[in-house]
Formats: sequence, structure tokens, C-alpha cells
Amino acid sequence: QVQLVQSGAEVKKPGASVKVSCKASGYIFTGYYMHWVRQAPGQGLEWMGRINPNSGGTNYTQKFQGRVTMTRDTSISTGYMELSRLRSDDTAVYYCARGRQNFDYWGQGTLVTVSS
Amino acid sequence: QSALTQPRSVSGSPGQSVTISCTGTSSDVGDYDYVSWYQQYPGKAPKLMIYDVSKRPSGVPDRFSGSKSGNTASLTISGLQAEDEADYYCCSYAGTYTPVTFGGGTKLTVL
Repeated sequence: QVQLVQSGAEVKKPGASVKVSCKASGYIFTGYYMHWVRQAPGQGLEWMGRINPNSGGTNYTQKFQGRVTMTRDTSISTGYMELSRLRSDDTAVYYCARGRQNFDYWGQGTLVTVSS
Repeated sequence: QSALTQPRSVSGSPGQSVTISCTGTSSDVGDYDYVSWYQQYPGKAPKLMIYDVSKRPSGVPDRFSGSKSGNTASLTISGLQAEDEADYYCCSYAGTYTPVTFGGGTKLTVL
């Protein structure tokens, strides 16, 4: 069965970076885009960007351009999302999700807390 | 790219039908038949309920249906059940470079 398993919760100080992983199983990793979506406490879903695991090509929403980097390691079917220069308003649950024009499988979410 | 517009909340009694609207623009909802809807319970990951405007993934009850007219998509839930109480988000494909935009979410309360 398809599964996306994310890394555990993180606590970071303002200005630091965080790298979240998402390990895929149960399907051909290179056959589907991997997206990253975040949700701040009590807020809605916010799309951050996507990576094509086959080519490594990425698209980032303008809001995160220059601060976010999405990569993948096809040898272990894992995608990564790194966010730098963290601020308090980056505190959120970060999800990976599989798909192209829609997201049929989601990771369990990773809580990233940014606090001094 | 602006978020799609959804009502903040809707409500209905068990057995009734409710419709949640999702208004975008001619660059997203109006231009592509790639609207999807997600159900989210507190503390849980979203779940795909409708994709490609009106298609249901396997396992989603046929009480859930989707449609689109112009720049507005809609999710209709018929025969409301207590378990339908959740947040619902619409999402639209919006082109190659910024391909995804979400709605702000709608809280459904089953009275």
C-alpha cells in the first residue's frame, strides 16, 4: 500500500534551517510529483512547491522562493524539504503529498516549531 | 496568486444536503478541470474526496459530489452524517509555474 512517512517534530530557533524528509513506499517513487504543503496553527493549507522525483525539477511558490529547497534521493525513495532563515510565523505542520493536479496520498505531517 | 474563496463555515442537520462553494478566477478554476476537494479532521492529514471536478476516489461515499460552473466549483454533501463534520478545502491547478492554489477552508458543522 502507498505510504508517505515523514520525519519527526523539530524545534528550531529563528534564523536557523530545518530539513524535513518524506519516505515513500508502495509505488514507483519517480512516477509521481512530490508536493509540500504547510498548515500554520488554526490556519488553512498552503502549497509551498513540488519536485519531480524523476528529473529533480522543482517549482516553488513565490512566497518561499529563495528560502525553500526541495530535493530527492531516488535510491531510498525519499524527498526532502529544507526551509532556511526560519521565522516564528514558519511554525506549522508540514506535509508531503503525492500527486500531479491533485494529492491522493499524504504524509502524517511534521510539526516545526520556531521559537527563541 | 490568490487563494480560492470559500465560505468560512456551513452547517446542516443530519440527513440534509449542504453545498460548499469555491470561487477562483479564469486562470485557475475557470481554466482547468482539475479542481479537487479535501476533508480534514483536527490533527489529521487531509484526505482526497473529489478530484478532476467531479470524480470520487475509491472508498469515498457517493454522498459526496463535485461540480463546476465558470470560475466557481462546488462540493455537495447529501444525507449529512455526524462524521462529515470536518474542515473542507478546495484546490485548483493553476498552470505550469505555480500549479497549485488552495481555498481558505470551510468548517462544516453537523447540527
